[in-house]
Amino acid sequence: QVELVQSGAEVKKPGSSVRVSCRASGITFSNSALSWVRQAPGQGLEWLGGVLPIFGPPLYSQKFQGRVTITADESTSTTYMELSSLTSMDTGVYYCARSVDFYGSGSQFDYWGQGTLVTVSS
Amino acid sequence: DIQVTQSPPSLSASVGDRINITCRASQTIFSYLNWYQHSPGKAPRLLIYAASTLQSGVPSRFSGSGSGADFTLTISDLQPEDFATYYCQQTYRTPGTFGQGTKVEIK
Repeated sequence: QVELVQSGAEVKKPGSSVRVSCRASGITFSNSALSWVRQAPGQGLEWLGGVLPIFGPPLYSQKFQGRVTITADESTSTTYMELSSLTSMDTGVYYCARSVDFYGSGSQFDYWGQGTLVTVSS
Repeated sequence: DIQVTQSPPSLSASVGDRINITCRASQTIFSYLNWYQHSPGKAPRLLIYAASTLQSGVPSRFSGSGSGADFTLTISDLQPEDFATYYCQQTYRTPGTFGQGTKVEIK
């Protein structure tokens, strides 16, 4: 069965970076679009960006461009999300999610990781 | 970015009720609209995709309708496990933007 397993909770200082991983099983990794979505406390869901390994370069939300880096390691079926220059506003739960594409047909997130809590605090 | 406005922000209902949640996009998104259920401490769950297609394993009391810019999620015969927050998401263009959410609470 399909599983997306994320790394554990992180506590970071303002100004630092965090890297969260998401290991996939039960899917064809290279032609799956793997996105990162976050939920800040009391807020809704927000797409940061994603990668579709077969197509190469990742896509990023303009809001996070320059601060987020998303990579994919096909040898381990793992995607990574690194967010830099952290502030308290980046505190929240970060999810990886899988779709067939980023837009159009097949763009719905049918599988999700369990979520990773990132806390930014001095 | 395409804006997605969801309403109401919250609603109170009883077990067995029928409820509607609406979602309006800032431009036409054809049928590229998805609905998710999010319960505290859990990952979001896909309910409906392409505006009206029920995801495998989702009970038939959930249904979606609409096209263009206006969409509706209907839950008939509300069950205790349905009390959660619901989000719509457009995926016509990146970034795939979400509505602000509708929290469904027990009356």
